[in-house]
Amino acid sequence: DGGITQSPKYLFRKEGQNVTLSCEQNLNHDAMYWYRQDPGQGLRLIYYSQIVNDFQKGDIAEGYSVSREKKESFPLTVTSAQKNPTAFYLCASTPMPSPVYEQYFGPGTRLTVT
Amino acid sequence: RKEVEQDPGPFNVPEGATVAFNCTYSNSASQSFFWYRQDCRKEPKLLMSVYSSGNEDGRFTAQLNRASQYISLLIRDSKLSDSATYLCVVIGAMDSNYQLIWGAGTKLIIKP
Repeated sequence: DGGITQSPKYLFRKEGQNVTLSCEQNLNHDAMYWYRQDPGQGLRLIYYSQIVNDFQKGDIAEGYSVSREKKESFPLTVTSAQKNPTAFYLCASTPMPSPVYEQYFGPGTRLTVT
Repeated sequence: RKEVEQDPGPFNVPEGATVAFNCTYSNSASQSFFWYRQDCRKEPKLLMSVYSSGNEDGRFTAQLNRASQYISLLIRDSKLSDSATYLCVVIGAMDSNYQLIWGAGTKLIIKP
């Protein structure tokens, strides 16, 4: 079955630690996206990548970093510089480089930092 | 004014009723519009794309009004399983980067 996997589902970290969230897709999609969702709020775009070895900042990139070394993988690192990292993180992909198509989402990772 | 706004609800609606909600957007150059459905603590799933000519899929109808800058979603003959949060997303381009702006969602509760 094709889809997007995110691991782990729940992640707990101490303040001051960097943490990397995994996102893998086997849909052969060109573009991938990272969002965070806070309670009662819409999704906010962190980073997106339209092709391998290229990515652009979204609206809230500060305190995050990404890489896109392979088409199927787009890991997100939440650094200690991110002031409020506790959130629900969602990874998505679109078939073509442009985001004007349907986005397919992974099941998300809930990160709690204490 | 927020870039994309939705009435948060909740909309409490009896089973079988018709319900409609809107999503307003501020960027007149926006290119694409979608409705997604999100169940509690799950990922969003595409419900419908929204076109100027309107889009109907069974009990669901989506419309785009570019002049007034809003999209709408109409659900007819509502089912208990329609209970969810409905998110709109507006996609445009600015300074060679894409903008994907999501509304905060409208919570719908269908009561038996």
